[in-house]
Amino acid sequence: QVQVMQSGAEVKKPGSSVKVSCKTSGDSAVTYAFTWVRQAPGQGLEWMGGIIPLFGTTNYAQKFQDRVTITADESTSTAYLEVRSLTSEDTAIYFCARGVVVAGHKGAEPGQLDSWGQGTLVTVSS
Amino acid sequence: EIVLTQSPGTLYMSPGERATLSCRASQSIITNYLAWYQQKPGQAPRLLIFGASSRATGIPDRFSGSGSGTDFTLTISRLEPEDFAVYYCQKYGSSRPTFGQGTKLEIK
Repeated sequence: QVQVMQSGAEVKKPGSSVKVSCKTSGDSAVTYAFTWVRQAPGQGLEWMGGIIPLFGTTNYAQKFQDRVTITADESTSTAYLEVRSLTSEDTAIYFCARGVVVAGHKGAEPGQLDSWGQGTLVTVSS
Repeated sequence: EIVLTQSPGTLYMSPGERATLSCRASQSIITNYLAWYQQKPGQAPRLLIFGASSRATGIPDRFSGSGSGTDFTLTISRLEPEDFAVYYCQKYGSSRPTFGQGTKLEIK
């Protein structure tokens, strides 16, 4: 059973950046993917992007392409999400999920999200 | 980008009843890379179904998924009190995975 542990809650000023971490443990899989999903208060799930650490490949939702960076450190099984130029609309719970890798049309892509972190609340307020 | 539309938005049911939740895709999902998640208040989502019809580890057999192409269904055969939650479908296995907007399953 994979455990996913995220970093703690953050309070940020508009225009600043935040970096959230996600560490997994409990298995020895070599091929896996990290995905970041956010949920604004009272809203649904929004896919932000993902990374396959073994290949170093990343994908981002178009709306986040210019101000989000997802990285991963295979040696520590940790993924990171950095969001820049924060506004109040970025106030949300940010979830990290670990999942399998599947064969997509253009090669390996993140699959279903098996294991989820507890979520990190990011509050953007002046 | 494929858009997933879930219906109904809210479903009012009683324990013991059978619930049917729908997820319709704007384009055919040829690979059947379609998952269902359950989310309870204050918790992270939990994977229920992947590959349109395969149950995830530890998921009770009252949960089943079906469908192909553009129309997918999550069925809960006999509702238990703990099943009242929000359910999301997700298309994965592409460069732009997407979630549906969710169906809230409420006690009648």
